[in-house]
Amino acid sequence: EPEVTQTPSHQVTQMGQEVILRCVPISNHLYFYWYRQILGQKVEFLVSFYNNEISEKSEIFDDQFSVERPDGSNFTLKIRSTKLEDSAMYFCASNPLAGGGGSYNEQFFGPGTRLTVL
Amino acid sequence: AQKVTQAQTEISVVEKEDVTLDCVYETRDTTYYLFWYKQPPSGELVFLIRRNSFDEQNEISGRYSWNFQKSTSSFNFTITASQVVDSAVYFCALSEALSNQFYFGTGTSLTVIP
Repeated sequence: EPEVTQTPSHQVTQMGQEVILRCVPISNHLYFYWYRQILGQKVEFLVSFYNNEISEKSEIFDDQFSVERPDGSNFTLKIRSTKLEDSAMYFCASNPLAGGGGSYNEQFFGPGTRLTVL
Repeated sequence: AQKVTQAQTEISVVEKEDVTLDCVYETRDTTYYLFWYKQPPSGELVFLIRRNSFDEQNEISGRYSWNFQKSTSSFNFTITASQVVDSAVYFCALSEALSNQFYFGTGTSLTVIP
């Protein structure tokens, strides 16, 4: 069964460094997402991406964050200058359909990347 | 305001007991979707169930059952005859038709004691 994959599973970085988290969504999916879960807290929406542009973003997704689909398979989240509070689990998800109009919303989540900022 | 409320932060039960995890949601959309996910200690999100707002039938899958009541905006999850392997954090989530993002509740940490 197709699944969303994420690499690396665990990333350790120094404060101020740039990190890129990688995701390979399911191949025929059209909508892509990033979520964040700080340890012990709920999963929070960061950004959705459709047709090569950001569709929605939350307040968390500030100028330090960017997303990109550099080729036909990868979907990346970049944090330009990491802060201690960026330490979290980052989940990528994909959806086969475009949003709106009563479309069928199911998101397939990847296994997550645990980011530790020292 | 929270779109999804899971009032129970932590629950402990003894193995073989039944346990119900509560979820209350808030939305103005007439079309929406509700989900439950299990997050074991390893951290991944395991999909359990999806319900759309037009389908209020309750569902049973093995030891799991879900009670969706639009009148009270609730989507509760019951585990019958709990097992130690059920120990995890369980998240309820809402997705509205006009916005694809998921709104997660704060999760309920379930511990099943052998």
